[in-house]
Amino acid sequence: DAGVTQSPTHLIKTRGQQVTLRCSPKSGHDTVSWYQQALGQGPQFIFQYYEEEERQRGNFPDRFSGHQFPNYSSELNVNALLLGDSALYLCASRYRYNEQYFGPGTRLTVT
Amino acid sequence: GQQLNQSPQSMFIQEGEDVSMNCTSSSIFNTWLWYKQDPGEGPVLLIALYKAGELTSNGRLTAQFGITRKDSFLNISASIPSDVGIYFCAGQGAQKLVFGQGTRLTINP
Repeated sequence: DAGVTQSPTHLIKTRGQQVTLRCSPKSGHDTVSWYQQALGQGPQFIFQYYEEEERQRGNFPDRFSGHQFPNYSSELNVNALLLGDSALYLCASRYRYNEQYFGPGTRLTVT
Repeated sequence: GQQLNQSPQSMFIQEGEDVSMNCTSSSIFNTWLWYKQDPGEGPVLLIALYKAGELTSNGRLTAQFGITRKDSFLNISASIPSDVGIYFCAGQGAQKLVFGQGTRLTINP
């Protein structure tokens, strides 16, 4: 039974560029959330997707957008990258209101 | 963003010692969770608590959901080297998790 998977593992982008991160939820899960974790901090909620719709959004600008596909997988898009967007981006999945399970994360470095 | 108050921020202990850490919030949560994160990895769920006053164990780990629903603690008994890492508490709202700042555990063999 595969857990939450994310791709890519690492990537390096330049300021102003755009990036897309991908997530496949754990088998049987239908809800995907995205979190940003800065170095030395706890994860911060970006948004959650359920039934292909954004259900709740954290305090992040519109440069952060997402999508959920019919197979429950999800993408996180970040436009006009800033140096401060450098972080570990975590995807978490769950079934309905059960506990959330995290993937290994994507390390994004913006130079 | 919103964050829980987790303490201590770091702990340096000898192998075999017991560990205790706690988490408080100004808001009520209906579910509390404890995660462990190793460097470069995602958080791994250790224990989930669903009822106020609930005491739950997972091997050497024991966690409690505070009566007020605004706090939780995690105990680790007889620590071993693989317990090293960062421990996070999290309160679960309707959709999102709110995390503490983490407790970094270091063990001297």
